[in-house]
Amino acid sequence: GAGVSQSPRYKVAKRGQDVALRCDPISGHVSLFWYQQALGQGPEFLTYFQNEAQLDKSGLPSDRFFAERPEGSVSTLKIQRTQQEDSAVYLCASSFSGQGNEKLFFGSGTQLSVL
Amino acid sequence: GESVGLHLPTLSVQEGDNSIINCAYSNSASDYFIWYKQESGKGPQFIIDIRSNMDKRQGQRVTVLLNKTVKHLSLQIAATQPGDSAVYFCAENRKLSFGAGTTVTVRA
Repeated sequence: GAGVSQSPRYKVAKRGQDVALRCDPISGHVSLFWYQQALGQGPEFLTYFQNEAQLDKSGLPSDRFFAERPEGSVSTLKIQRTQQEDSAVYLCASSFSGQGNEKLFFGSGTQLSVL
Repeated sequence: GESVGLHLPTLSVQEGDNSIINCAYSNSASDYFIWYKQESGKGPQFIIDIRSNMDKRQGQRVTVLLNKTVKHLSLQIAATQPGDSAVYFCAENRKLSFGAGTTVTVRA
């Protein structure tokens, strides 16, 4: 596709359930980012991949959050034992190179609601 | 804490007027800044960027100004249109951080 694609668009989970959020970056983009955006707030960095390597995961809020990008393309953000405070929009972004200092292309996000 | 932040959470502008959105950053080593626009239900969309070796950059109807002395940048939108209504974020690429946005509402 032409842009970053995320699925599902909406996800409702019961507290304690595990969820998996998918991101398809723009084809050929080396860098991939995950952000968490709470209602009325700016995106907060979670983690960053360059190809399949996870170079920065300093923003992951707890060990319940796990991200992978095994073949350097599609990425999955997994949240185990979801809690109500995990409710947010999860945004994925990609950029062309791993050189830094370049604009990000964002998907429309997955809105996660934990009941 | 935040490395970038916007000065005002909301801005109401008359259609056709110019808009100015401000942002401050704290890291003097920051060398690249981006403005994004986010419409409801969508991800942020790139508007314009500027590197620290510049103090001004112009795009179509938008201008970004960077003042490294006071660690401040601004986004100017000329002849604001209803389609400019959105939340605007400044981002500092070094730490991949965003501030809280400014919601711009354009009055007809």
